[in-house]
Amino acid sequence: GAVVSQHPSWVICKSGTSVKIECRSLDFQATTMFWYRQFPKQSLMLMATSNEGSKATYEQGVEKDKFLINHASLTLSTLTVTSAHPEDSSFYICSATSLLQGLGYEQYFGPGTRLTVT
Amino acid sequence: GQQLNQSPQSMFIQEGEDVSMNCTSSSIFNTWLWYKQDPGEGPVLLIALYKAGELTSNGRLTAQFGITRKDSFLNISASIPSDVGIYFCAGLNYGGSQGNLIFGKGTKLSVKP
Repeated sequence: GAVVSQHPSWVICKSGTSVKIECRSLDFQATTMFWYRQFPKQSLMLMATSNEGSKATYEQGVEKDKFLINHASLTLSTLTVTSAHPEDSSFYICSATSLLQGLGYEQYFGPGTRLTVT
Repeated sequence: GQQLNQSPQSMFIQEGEDVSMNCTSSSIFNTWLWYKQDPGEGPVLLIALYKAGELTSNGRLTAQFGITRKDSFLNISASIPSDVGIYFCAGLNYGGSQGNLIFGKGTKLSVKP
């Protein structure tokens, strides 16, 4: 149980274009979803937290107009990187928690999406 | 803000050896979590600890939630090659409808050459 998927697993895009990454909880309803980015050989850095039906809460230093987060249902959150630039190239990982089904506050992570901006 | 110190940063293992790593914090957490991340993958939850003093096992893995609530350790007994990867500790303070994780910098396990 507590499986989270991400799509796509990797994407290459040209500078200036936008990219959408999907995060789905497959076997539970996620009350909260989190988006992280991870640079090589570093730990995970929280970008934003989103509750279903609410606006996302962004961490300090994360541009909310650049990283658009939508959490329209209890099983789907999307992260759109707008006007991507090479410095946005990174490994983006989502996670989900569910208080509805007794999973507690521990987060279950997706497999990640490797974004390369050329 | 809260910070976690995870050590060691890296270590080499030989098959069959026991491995130990730990995390300490400047402040208390309600929950400690241990994750393992393989290259190009997302972290996988190994063990979750909810009470100070709690000792929990998952197969060859054992983790403890320190009495002071400011530290936790993870032991791996009789290591095998597939234990190689990066292990992250994470502290969690929950409140309201969500809880944010604070991650350690990770311990990288590699095989001894």
